[in-house]
Amino acid sequence: IAGITQAPTSQILAAGRRMTLRCTQDMRHNAMYWYRQDLGLGLRLIHYSNTAGTTGKGEVPDGYSVSRANTDDFPLTLASAVPSQTSVYFCASSDTQVSGANVLTFGAGSRLTVL
Amino acid sequence: GQNIDQPTEMTATEGAIVQINCTYQTSGFNGLFWYQQHAGEAPTFLSYNVLDGLEEKGRFSSFLSRSKGYSYLLLKELQMKDSASYLCAVMDSNYQLIWGAGTKLIIKP
Repeated sequence: IAGITQAPTSQILAAGRRMTLRCTQDMRHNAMYWYRQDLGLGLRLIHYSNTAGTTGKGEVPDGYSVSRANTDDFPLTLASAVPSQTSVYFCASSDTQVSGANVLTFGAGSRLTVL
Repeated sequence: GQNIDQPTEMTATEGAIVQINCTYQTSGFNGLFWYQQHAGEAPTFLSYNVLDGLEEKGRFSSFLSRSKGYSYLLLKELQMKDSASYLCAVMDSNYQLIWGAGTKLIIKP
């Protein structure tokens, strides 16, 4: 089934631990994104990648890093988790980044709790 | 700063019509999107408007007025499965998406 796979679905993590959220797409989309979604706030962009080998910072990049070694995978790493990073994380992809009709396809989300 | 405003929550009756409004103030405009998000699930694309006017797609329609910085999503013949959050997002001059906090729509029998 074409789409985006995220893992893990849910995770409880101790503060200070390192965590990588995985994201894989099989649609050959060139652009990929990581968002966080918190109650009462709109989706906020953490990092993005317009194409394999390039990445960029979004609205809330601090404490997160990403890599884009190939078209399909776009992992998000929390180097040293803090409680404020408790959130639902969505990975998304689109066929083109610089375009008006930039429709995003989202993964099912990863719910992360940092204690 | 950039801002998207939409009501936090709305309630409607099955079979009725509901209009969800969205106002925006952004640096430039390259289109407005509506997404639907059921509880615990991923957002899914509903509609895209870049020119003024109404776009109709089945039971759902979306309207845009660029001069007023205003859009609405109109849902007709409401069904229980339409209970979800509806997210408004605007693409700014840098082609970055600015998201509203979403409107939670509750459908009652």
